[in-house]
Amino acid sequence: DTGVSQDPRHKITKRGQNVTFRCDPISEHNRLYWYRQTLGQGPEFLTYFQNEAQLEKSRLLSDRFSAERPKGSFSTLEIQRTEQGDSAMYLCASTDSEAFFGQGTRLTVV
Amino acid sequence: DAKTTQPPSMDCAEGRAANLPCNHSTISGNEYVYWYRQIHSQGPQYIIHGLKNNETNEMASLIITEDRKSSTLILPHATLRDTAVYYCIVSSRRGAGNKLTFGGGTRVLVKP
Repeated sequence: DTGVSQDPRHKITKRGQNVTFRCDPISEHNRLYWYRQTLGQGPEFLTYFQNEAQLEKSRLLSDRFSAERPKGSFSTLEIQRTEQGDSAMYLCASTDSEAFFGQGTRLTVV
Repeated sequence: DAKTTQPPSMDCAEGRAANLPCNHSTISGNEYVYWYRQIHSQGPQYIIHGLKNNETNEMASLIITEDRKSSTLILPHATLRDTAVYYCIVSSRRGAGNKLTFGGGTRVLVKP
């Protein structure tokens, strides 16, 4: 499968714990995006990378969130001190002309 | 990016054409119309996009009005697997490339 892959698909964590998600984009795509989707809503943009450079961050990305893309390949999204409001689907997409999305990581904070 | 307006839901019969409308009256000259769909528990899937001409691919057709203030996505022969939320998005290709601003979409239910 040469699409965008995300790991894990599901994560349940206790409030206050740190979690990290991984995204492996389509290999020849330079641009990588993270989105968050809550129940019944459309995805919301979080941040964007061009190669290894993080070029834009949404105001949704609080100080507890950090994203990296070392070497311009895979990316990680870390949430520190999780809160119940962080419960959502976290989607990764990579693009050439159109966006290709992964299956997402569903986070549940209990 | 310009805002879009879509009906929240619609039903269509299996085997019939599904016509999904979208209003984007504030679209600017360099903005494209994109359509994505999201099947339950999956990531969004690209369907089609256009600037001002009508477009067709193996999945759907996109009809854009001459003034570009609205468009219609046509699924020519809807199947049960087309049940999904369909998002109409207007986006330029400048700046953050394909940063997409999703609205609420249209929840399409294809019935046998």
